[in-house]
Amino acid sequence: KAGVTQTPRYLIKTRGQQVTLSCSPISGHRSVSWYQQTPGQGLQFLFEYFSETQRNKGNFPGRFSGRQFSNSRSEMNVSTLELGDSALYLCASSSGTVGEQYFGPGTRLTVT
Amino acid sequence: EDKVVQSPLSLVVHEGDTVTLNCSYEVTNFRSLLWYKQEKKAPTFLFMLTSSGIEKKSGRLSSILDKKELFSILNITATQTGDSAVYLCAYQPYSGAGSYQLTFGKGTKLSVIP
Repeated sequence: KAGVTQTPRYLIKTRGQQVTLSCSPISGHRSVSWYQQTPGQGLQFLFEYFSETQRNKGNFPGRFSGRQFSNSRSEMNVSTLELGDSALYLCASSSGTVGEQYFGPGTRLTVT
Repeated sequence: EDKVVQSPLSLVVHEGDTVTLNCSYEVTNFRSLLWYKQEKKAPTFLFMLTSSGIEKKSGRLSSILDKKELFSILNITATQTGDSAVYLCAYQPYSGAGSYQLTFGKGTKLSVIP
């Protein structure tokens, strides 16, 4: 089975711009979760989608949003980028009915 | 307030040594505890421990869960340089929304030297 894929792998954006990241889960998996990883805060939960519905959301500002499509692919969007948004954004795939989550390679976002 | 606390934060051992990594967690609505290995990029899933599965083993790696004392340990025997990585522990509570959100510890950085 193919693993979790994320695109793009690297992004450089300027403050104030917006960005969209994409995640394709493992075939058959219906749940996608997003996490932000920074050296200071570690891995922090952003949101979780299951069958196109947001099931949970972490403690991030409204500039961070996401959605899931009928084929389970997910996108997350960050608007009005700030320097502090520079991070590795990880997507995790799961069946949605058991707890195991499998991570994609991540998107490294740099905001200048 | 940290809900998942890992110790030590870093560890340096020689090849062939046995290491024990620790993870303590908050008790609220416990569902499961997961261990991941992170080398350069994506965390790789190692184990998931639940009330019905408190001990797991795979090759040189093993993990146990103590629900009474609220901690888990990850053991690695006969360490190899390829075991060098950050090991992450994650707590997964039950939630009303049916979510499988993970709360991660800061990780233990393991360095294995030849």
